[in-house]
Amino acid sequence: DQQVKQNSPSLSVQEGRISILNCDYTNSMFDYFLWYKKYPAEGPTFLISISSIKDKNEDGRFTVFLNKSAKHLSLHIVPSQPGDSAVYFCAAYPGTYKYIFGTGTRLKVLA
Amino acid sequence: NAGVTQTPKFQVLKTGQSMTLQCAQDMNHNSMYWYRQDPGMGLRLIYYSASEGTTDKGEVPNGYNVSRLNKREFSLRLESAAPSQTSVYFCASRGQSSSYEQYFGPGTRLTVT
Repeated sequence: DQQVKQNSPSLSVQEGRISILNCDYTNSMFDYFLWYKKYPAEGPTFLISISSIKDKNEDGRFTVFLNKSAKHLSLHIVPSQPGDSAVYFCAAYPGTYKYIFGTGTRLKVLA
Repeated sequence: NAGVTQTPKFQVLKTGQSMTLQCAQDMNHNSMYWYRQDPGMGLRLIYYSASEGTTDKGEVPNGYNVSRLNKREFSLRLESAAPSQTSVYFCASRGQSSSYEQYFGPGTRLTVT
């Protein structure tokens, strides 16, 4: 049973437009949510996180929104750049050292 | 400051062979993790070590053992490799950041034939 789901395996967006990546979760007890970016042949790198007590966190071009009633979070990238093309993973942290990752969404930003 | 390093980068094993994947971090982090990544499966936790001297099973521990050698190093051992263990393995560490972010190594691509 997948507790963290990324239902879109891939997404293509034009350069300069907004990219919206989505993630759904089932456990309302998660403390923190994180987004990671992964380039081919590299390890994931941390992008942005949000506490379960907040509904928005912003860092430059990246904003994460959390809708607790819908158990849904989204990552917005504005404006999208070709260098943003990567696989994006959302992860949930329930506060027990273990992290639960989604299956990832491959973003392609078209120049 | 190298962050998280992993060796080797690539490895091919025959079924039944054993090997140890090495991981080290130089950020003085307490927690360390081993994940495997398979197509369409995301990252799945194999084992983790909350602090030096402790290890615990993750989601997919069968067929693996780990050793937290000291605060810097956390190794993953395959005693008798199976084709189902063909995967990309990532080591990660986590410090005391309030954002709970993990730092990942570059990965080891393992093929078992």
